[in-house]
Amino acid sequence: DSGVTQTPKHLITATGQRVTLRCSPRSGDLSVYWYQQSLDQGLQFLIQYYNGEERAKGNILERFSAQQFPDLHSELNLSSLELGDSALYFCASSVAVSGTDTQYFGPGTRLTVL
Amino acid sequence: GNSVTQMEGPVTLSEEAFLTINCTYTATGYPSLFWYVQYPGEGLQLLLKATKADDKGSNKGFEATYRKETTSFHLEKGSVQVSDSAVYFCALKAQAAGNKLTFGGGTRVLVKP
Repeated sequence: DSGVTQTPKHLITATGQRVTLRCSPRSGDLSVYWYQQSLDQGLQFLIQYYNGEERAKGNILERFSAQQFPDLHSELNLSSLELGDSALYFCASSVAVSGTDTQYFGPGTRLTVL
Repeated sequence: GNSVTQMEGPVTLSEEAFLTINCTYTATGYPSLFWYVQYPGEGLQLLLKATKADDKGSNKGFEATYRKETTSFHLEKGSVQVSDSAVYFCALKAQAAGNKLTFGGGTRVLVKP
């Protein structure tokens, strides 16, 4: 158990819908990262927050957005869902933003868009 | 940009065989290097890491040495078990790139009894 929690574990929805994925980082970690794992794209970085502020952006679609709240949990919002958004979405956390910090991953949320 | 290349699988081995998974990287500066493992139906777990050249990371019988001259971080285990069956991901983190992890494509390992 990494100490990072993600809910829900599974999500099945239809095209055009909007969903919210939730992540609670390990106790004491200030930085949260979101990654997408799909069969065709592999594991890709989406976005990072540090202590409530956006720190870095990867290949995140405009239909996707995220935020980190004062209690440090984070939410990833996916809207106007398409079939291709079906993937495993991971949240990771680390203490800060040092290059040597280890990122600890949650169990993931499997999103299926029908 | 930064990238990680690892050998494609699947790699099928018998129990107690020697495992090597090759990983090479391209990065600016001096990245930290990681191996993560994903067991069936689970999330990613950190297996080991190395933060500077010539460092050796080790855990659970797995080892990898950060080789700057060959830009490699090959994973090895001397005697695999059925429980080592999983997908292994090599990754790098470069501070100049905002500390995001850049992953290789993953290598599926299947250990047969």
